[in-house]
Amino acid sequence: RKEVEQDPGPFNVPEGATVAFNCTYSNSASQSFFWYRQDCRKEPKLLMSVYSSGNEDGRFTAQLNRASQYISLLIRDSKLSDSATYLCVVHRMDSNYQLIWGAGTKLIIKP
Amino acid sequence: NAGVTQTPKFQVLKTGQSMTLQCAQDMNHEYMSWYRQDPGMGLRLIHYSVGAGITDQGEVPNGYNVSRSTTEDFPLRLLSAAPSQTSVYFCASSRGQLGTGELFFGEGSRLTVL
Repeated sequence: RKEVEQDPGPFNVPEGATVAFNCTYSNSASQSFFWYRQDCRKEPKLLMSVYSSGNEDGRFTAQLNRASQYISLLIRDSKLSDSATYLCVVHRMDSNYQLIWGAGTKLIIKP
Repeated sequence: NAGVTQTPKFQVLKTGQSMTLQCAQDMNHEYMSWYRQDPGMGLRLIHYSVGAGITDQGEVPNGYNVSRSTTEDFPLRLLSAAPSQTSVYFCASSRGQLGTGELFFGEGSRLTVL
């Protein structure tokens, strides 16, 4: 079982819709959580951090559920430019590798 | 603002050949790392460095060497290329503590080993 798991998708969503996807992690020592965005054939870029209290950045909302060990990303009023792969990343202080990456969820926004 | 610069962007090698992927950053970051990205898998850490003269192995170090003689440069050497090393390679740097989660990536190097 992978330490960080994501539904690979693709999620095909009409423009303007709301879409949400989750990421589960298996190690309870995980301390910090992040969402990255990766456009096709490009490098990953930090989208947002995920705080215990949840956080919002414009149309994007990230939440953490430590009891069930998952984080979520919700995108409201989706735009064509939101089409990308969204990578879930977990920071563990007890690991030499520190950042553990999910394989990503592909999102396609259709006009 | 150059950020993290990787070269080459594309490379085709034959099995057994060696090569070096170059990585340079101009942000004075102490932490630098190399990842490989394969279909259906998360980014996997190959080697990392927390400062000049300090390197350590990541999750998948076999077949790769690194050195860090300056803060700016962190080259990745493939010693004897194998088809299993066909992948997209990313160099990344960070200001320091990874707890902030913010890595700055280069544009990637697509390597094919025949």
